[in-house]
Amino acid sequence: DAGVIQSPRHEVTEMGQEVTLRCKPISGHNSLFWYRQTMMRGLELLIYFNNNVPIDDSGMPEDRFSAKMPNASFSTLKIQPSEPRDSAVYFCASSINRGKLFFGEGSRLTVL
Amino acid sequence: TQLLEQSPQFLSIQEGENLTVYCNSSSVFSSLQWYRQEPGEGPVLLVTVVTGGEVKKLKRLTFQFGDARKDSSLHITAAQPGDTGLYLCAGARVGVGAQKLVFGQGTRLTINP
Repeated sequence: DAGVIQSPRHEVTEMGQEVTLRCKPISGHNSLFWYRQTMMRGLELLIYFNNNVPIDDSGMPEDRFSAKMPNASFSTLKIQPSEPRDSAVYFCASSINRGKLFFGEGSRLTVL
Repeated sequence: TQLLEQSPQFLSIQEGENLTVYCNSSSVFSSLQWYRQEPGEGPVLLVTVVTGGEVKKLKRLTFQFGDARKDSSLHITAAQPGDTGLYLCAGARVGVGAQKLVFGQGTRLTINP
């Protein structure tokens, strides 16, 4: 069975550019989470959706970050404009009714 | 300041040794989870503990939830190179909701052959 699929796996961009990260949750899962992982702060929850509806975005760092879930099989996390401090590994995870989390392999973002 | 403090942050031991990793907080959690993460991959759930004092075993791994539900430990017996990885604890705070997990910074474990 396919797990959570994230793209791109790696992205290197310059400060000020727009970055879009993509996630396909496991089929049948109705909760989706975006996390960010850094050495300094560990894993932090950015936002989560339940049945495609954003439930809590209090972890989103600032207005430069936005996330959407237009349907049950796709979500995006967008950073515009990107800054060097946004460099991190971004994980998407999905679950059934906010149960056991299944993580994707992550998108490693480097902003120069 | 981390809500969940893990110790040690780094641990390198020889194959066959035993080890314990700790996860501590001043907050009470309704449940606590342990994950293992390997390089280039996402965390994978190992266990969830929900009752104060609960002990769960997964082969050579023993997980315990503190009586007050503020701390947890992971004990590995006869460690093997395949146990190498980043171990993360994550807690669901009482009254906040199980979906808003708080993660510790992790213990990076290396088992040398």
